[in-house]
Amino acid sequence: EPEVTQTPSHQVTQMGQEVILRCVPISNHLYFYWYRQILGQKVEFLVSFYNNEISEKSEIFDDQFSVERPDGSNFTLKIRSTKLEDSAMYFCATRPGQGFQPQHFGDGTRLSIL
Amino acid sequence: QKEVEQDPGPLSVPEGAIVSLNCTYSNSAFQYFMWYRQYSRKGPELLMYTYSSGNKEDGRFTAQVDKSSKYISLFIRDSQPSDSATYLCAMSDYSNQFYFGTGTSLTVIP
Repeated sequence: EPEVTQTPSHQVTQMGQEVILRCVPISNHLYFYWYRQILGQKVEFLVSFYNNEISEKSEIFDDQFSVERPDGSNFTLKIRSTKLEDSAMYFCATRPGQGFQPQHFGDGTRLSIL
Repeated sequence: QKEVEQDPGPLSVPEGAIVSLNCTYSNSAFQYFMWYRQYSRKGPELLMYTYSSGNKEDGRFTAQVDKSSKYISLFIRDSQPSDSATYLCAMSDYSNQFYFGTGTSLTVIP
């Protein structure tokens, strides 16, 4: 069964540094998402992306964050000037085309900020 | 307000038991209801999804939605040790966002 692939599985970074988290969506999927899960807390929506632009974003997704699809296959989340509170699991999710369809999640990247 | 409430458990049952997992919500705009299963160090895995009120069955799993009470349930029949995981409910209105519960940790004891 096709799956969403995320790399790296674990990223350790010094506070203040920039990180890029990568996702390879399922091949025929058109909608892409990033979610965050802080340890012991809910999975929280960050941003949705369709047709090469952001379609929705949450309050969490401020100027520190950006997303792009640089090469037609990867979907990336960039976090600039990382803070201790950015430590979390980051999940990429994708879904097919128009109309409601549930999102399929990758196994996440565990981001640890030191 | 788009809050989703879910009892975090932990829930521990003997093998073969019927398990009932529940979520409540406050936003009447939610139309789509999902259940995900999450194993340790893995991403959420879609189990079932339903639209609006009603029941949906898939093998040992049954999802129920009662929009009048803003209450959804997932029933697992003949529970197996392999069902041990965290179960997440998620909901959506007509936007792209999913709103998750905190997850219920389930252990099925052989």
